[in-house]
Amino acid sequence: ELVLTQSPGTLSLSPGQRATLSCRASQSVSSSYLAWYQQKPGQAPRLLIYGASSRATGIPDRFSGSGSGTDFTLTISRLEPEDFAVYYCQQYGSSPLFTFGPGTKVDIK
Amino acid sequence: EVQLVESGGGLIQPGGSLRLSCSASGFTFSRYYMSWLRQAPGKGLEWVSTIYSPGSTYYADSLKGRFTISRDNSKSTLYLHMNSLRTEDTAVYYCARVKLPGDCFDIWGQGTMLTVSS
Repeated sequence: ELVLTQSPGTLSLSPGQRATLSCRASQSVSSSYLAWYQQKPGQAPRLLIYGASSRATGIPDRFSGSGSGTDFTLTISRLEPEDFAVYYCQQYGSSPLFTFGPGTKVDIK
Repeated sequence: EVQLVESGGGLIQPGGSLRLSCSASGFTFSRYYMSWLRQAPGKGLEWVSTIYSPGSTYYADSLKGRFTISRDNSKSTLYLHMNSLRTEDTAVYYCARVKLPGDCFDIWGQGTMLTVSS
């Protein structure tokens, strides 16, 4: 069973700073099937990145994704106040069909 | 506007059954794979099930046999039938549209809360 691990668990940063979030898979994942989501308290998740590096519709260009194989990264170039949230990575293709990482919380320092 | 609206959650006793519904609008429902996901209180996201057609359904191994996904394309509605409910099934249940290519979830409903408790 494929497992996704996210680090760090919590990232404490100030607005304007750069955020770098990591997602590591226990076995190789096709880049085509790696996605990132943002979730704020009391809200449904929102798709940010799919195919490891493609931004979803309406997502600002301060969000970018990269990586391949077992190591993937979500970068927020300059944090805006609305970016403080929990971020999840997700993969498709191995058992189970869809797997999520445990999440990284980005909070205000 | 593309929208998904879940309903049917509530409080139910262990061992009970329940059906969740998800009404879709703003897109051609029949053309898309649709999924259910859940999130236990204070926990992360868990995929539950996906459907394209009655013969094309997929389940998380831990839920197979208790949960059944179905859809009515004439009503643009997705369903999740849940049997033998356990306390650990307590969660917010989301329906979501599967984006292809990418095999991820591009549209989510607001969620419906299910509490399994005596």
